[in-house]
Amino acid sequence: RKEVEQDPGPFNVPEGATVAFNCTYSNSASQSFFWYRQDCRKEPKLLMSVYSSGNEDGRFTAQLNRASQYISLLIRDSKLSDSATYLCVVNPYNQAGTALIFGKGTTLSVSS
Amino acid sequence: DTAVSQTPKYLVTQMGNDKSIKCEQNLGHDTMYWYKQDSKKFLKIMFSYNNKELIINETVPNRFSPKSPDKAHLNLHINSLELGDSAVYFCASSQGRLGPQQETQYFGPGTRLLVL
Repeated sequence: RKEVEQDPGPFNVPEGATVAFNCTYSNSASQSFFWYRQDCRKEPKLLMSVYSSGNEDGRFTAQLNRASQYISLLIRDSKLSDSATYLCVVNPYNQAGTALIFGKGTTLSVSS
Repeated sequence: DTAVSQTPKYLVTQMGNDKSIKCEQNLGHDTMYWYKQDSKKFLKIMFSYNNKELIINETVPNRFSPKSPDKAHLNLHINSLELGDSAVYFCASSQGRLGPQQETQYFGPGTRLLVL
């Protein structure tokens, strides 16, 4: 089983739509989870960390289900500028300074 | 101010050549990383250094050698370049401690390497 799995998409949605991305991870001992965003030909940038109780940042909501080893990202009221690849990221080792494990990303295209 | 910078941004070279990519961070972070993103966009760790010490060395050909002269710099030297080395190489840094903020990695703009 791959360490971090995501549906690659693409997800093609109109402006204003709500879209959800899912991600599963294989290491049950993982403690830290993140969503990163990568624009075309750019570097990945942190979108938000994912906390156990779930967290929200404006139009973005992240959820964690440890029992199912599942992470989700919900984007409400999609904007054209949300078009990007969304990377699910896990620290599987619970150690400082270790590398994060990146999923292959889910591509979102928002159209007018 | 650029947090994580890499040079060069683009690198086109012939097979068999030796090349280096430089990375610098001005965030005061303790840990730096090199990632490779291939044509399928999969981002994979190559190396990480914590306070100039190598802590991760994934299965990478020994033609790739990282060097960290100080904790703000992590350079990548590649010997005898091969066609399969063509990719985007990202440098990143983090505080190197546990916790969501401390583990957040900040990436450089990437170096696009094309081996002909």
